[in-house]
Amino acid sequence: AQSVAQPEDQVNVAEGNPLTVKCTYSVSGNPYLFWYVQYPNRGLQFLLKYITGDNLVKGSYGFEAEFNKSQTSFHLKKPSALVSDSALYFCAVRRPDSWGKLQFGAGTQVVVTP
Amino acid sequence: DAGVIQSPRHEVTEMGQEVTLRCKPISGHDYLFWYRQTMMRGLELLIYFNNNVPIDDSGMPEDRFSAKMPNASFSTLKIQPSEPRDSAVYFCASSLRGQITDTQYFGPGTRLTVL
Repeated sequence: AQSVAQPEDQVNVAEGNPLTVKCTYSVSGNPYLFWYVQYPNRGLQFLLKYITGDNLVKGSYGFEAEFNKSQTSFHLKKPSALVSDSALYFCAVRRPDSWGKLQFGAGTQVVVTP
Repeated sequence: DAGVIQSPRHEVTEMGQEVTLRCKPISGHDYLFWYRQTMMRGLELLIYFNNNVPIDDSGMPEDRFSAKMPNASFSTLKIQPSEPRDSAVYFCASSLRGQITDTQYFGPGTRLTVL
């Protein structure tokens, strides 16, 4: 079985401050990990992924995520948040042998205030 | 590319009526996914297809739900009869396995309200 947890329903941050959105996972074998973002009334958009290799993954819009195998975490980060980063963020995981079948977390609402 | 196209964007219907949601995946993609998003249950995978063949429909909630993919450029999700608890946003997504990344591209969604 595979699962992903996003422990925070909402993260509030002031513009210009660093942003972190937490994600932990549970999956047998080596996981494939993803972050997606959803803006209001829109579908999800891919941000970044970890498949293998360097634990620090860089993605779209200045976001990055760090894979930590010992802590089974894949936290999303951005050094300096923008008001336009306010959105719903989803972490997702899948097993390498379960192509296509992503398990999404519950989502974390990010609110960036001016 | 126009991206994944879904229609209608909004659907309001009465309990007991048949509802059909439509999806056009990105041209050349060989996987198609149907998701449902609600506040209570989050984002749920309902069913997915590979090369027009259903691979996993274990997420389909009950027999009232059915999905088809008659060709590579069109899929439908049908609810018959509809119930108020089916009210949700339904997303279609597509991807191309050859990319290895298996990034899924989502459509804008159909917001379904069953009265």
